[in-house]
Amino acid sequence: EAGVTQFPSHSVIEKGQTVTLRCDPISGHDNLYWYRRVMGKEIKFLLHFVKESKQDESGMPNNRFLAERTGGTYSTLKVQPAELEDSGVYFCASSQAVGVRSYEQYFGPGTRLTVT
Amino acid sequence: KNEVEQSPQNLTAQEGEFITINCSYSVGISALHWLQQHPGGGIVSLFMLSSGKKKHGRLIATINIQEKHSSLHITASHPRDSAVYICAVWSQFYFGTGTSLTVIP
Repeated sequence: EAGVTQFPSHSVIEKGQTVTLRCDPISGHDNLYWYRRVMGKEIKFLLHFVKESKQDESGMPNNRFLAERTGGTYSTLKVQPAELEDSGVYFCASSQAVGVRSYEQYFGPGTRLTVT
Repeated sequence: KNEVEQSPQNLTAQEGEFITINCSYSVGISALHWLQQHPGGGIVSLFMLSSGKKKHGRLIATINIQEKHSSLHITASHPRDSAVYICAVWSQFYFGTGTSLTVIP
């Protein structure tokens, strides 16, 4: 069974540009999470989808970040316009939804975003 | 102050040593995860626990809900155990900063 995949693995963009990150969860997993790790800091929660609905987006830093999960399958996270402080590694994770929010999560390899 | 605190931040051990990494948290949780991140960045979930103790091979994780504390133990450590170990709690998804473990052969 394929794990969580993310694309691209690494993206280097200039300040002001737009970048879209993609996450493909494990097939059948209703829950999809986005996290971010900025250099030297702990991983921070960004948001949580249940199928195509945003269950919790309290961690989204500002309105330059837009996450979508059309059809409840893969998800995209767009940063527009990117700022220097957006640099970091963006992780996606998925889990089954069996009525328990804290069901085990499977992480993707991450996308390393560098904004110059 | 972070909601999840790990200690130590960095740990160097000789191959074969017994290793303990500690995690304390200050929020109410539904579950606690121990994650492993290897050089290259990929994150692997080692354990998810909400009470008691779990064992997988040479790894043991314990949690004390009353004391809001968890430990990850590695018995007979090996150089391939070298990685960053991250404690994370699920309530509002808080992560520790990680413990960087280096096992020297």
